[in-house]
Amino acid sequence: DARVTQTPRHKVTEMGQEVTMRCQPILGHNTVFWYRQTMMQGLELLAYFRNRAPLDDSGMPKDRFSAEMPDATLATLKIQPSEPRDSAVYFCASGLGSGITSTDTQYFGPGTRLTVL
Amino acid sequence: DQQVKQNSPSLSVQEGRISILNCDYTNSMFDYFLWYKKYPAEGPTFLISISSIKDKNEDGRFTVFLNKSAKHLSLHIVPSQPGDSAVYFCAASDGYQFYFGTGTSLTVIP
Repeated sequence: DARVTQTPRHKVTEMGQEVTMRCQPILGHNTVFWYRQTMMQGLELLAYFRNRAPLDDSGMPKDRFSAEMPDATLATLKIQPSEPRDSAVYFCASGLGSGITSTDTQYFGPGTRLTVL
Repeated sequence: DQQVKQNSPSLSVQEGRISILNCDYTNSMFDYFLWYKKYPAEGPTFLISISSIKDKNEDGRFTVFLNKSAKHLSLHIVPSQPGDSAVYFCAASDGYQFYFGTGTSLTVIP
């Protein structure tokens, strides 16, 4: 049963600390998305990758957030320094895409619940 | 600026009755629409989709309707079951990325 995995599931940290969230996409999927879920905005797209190359990261605060795909089996989202307003659930999703279009179905991981005190 | 809106944060329905979840969008370039279902502490899971060339798509108890002129789509669940209690997100794609609504929490009362 292929699924997207995310670690850690929960993270509590203090303001100013670095936070790294990891995602393992479904094997064979070539597109990876990072979302942030908040009460007011729903699911916000932060960044996405196609074949490990970043296609769009316009949703991320550039000064503190960074997203990478060191290899096809790992995507990371880093926040440095973290702030209380970053507290949210962060989801990773993967899918199969071609050309410049997004995938028609995304498969989500269970999310990382981040609390910044 | 929310391009996809779900104006009802919550909905309660009696078991066996119809649940109707609504979604409105503003971007006429959206050509593909999806509904996701999310249980607590889990990621959203794909439920049903519809292309803009159709106005209806049915899968078992779930039917999605698309009204392009009104920029409105809805998800009908008939009959509703307690296991359908979850948060439902609608999403729209412009072929480049997906835009999600804020979700509607559905409670099906036994």
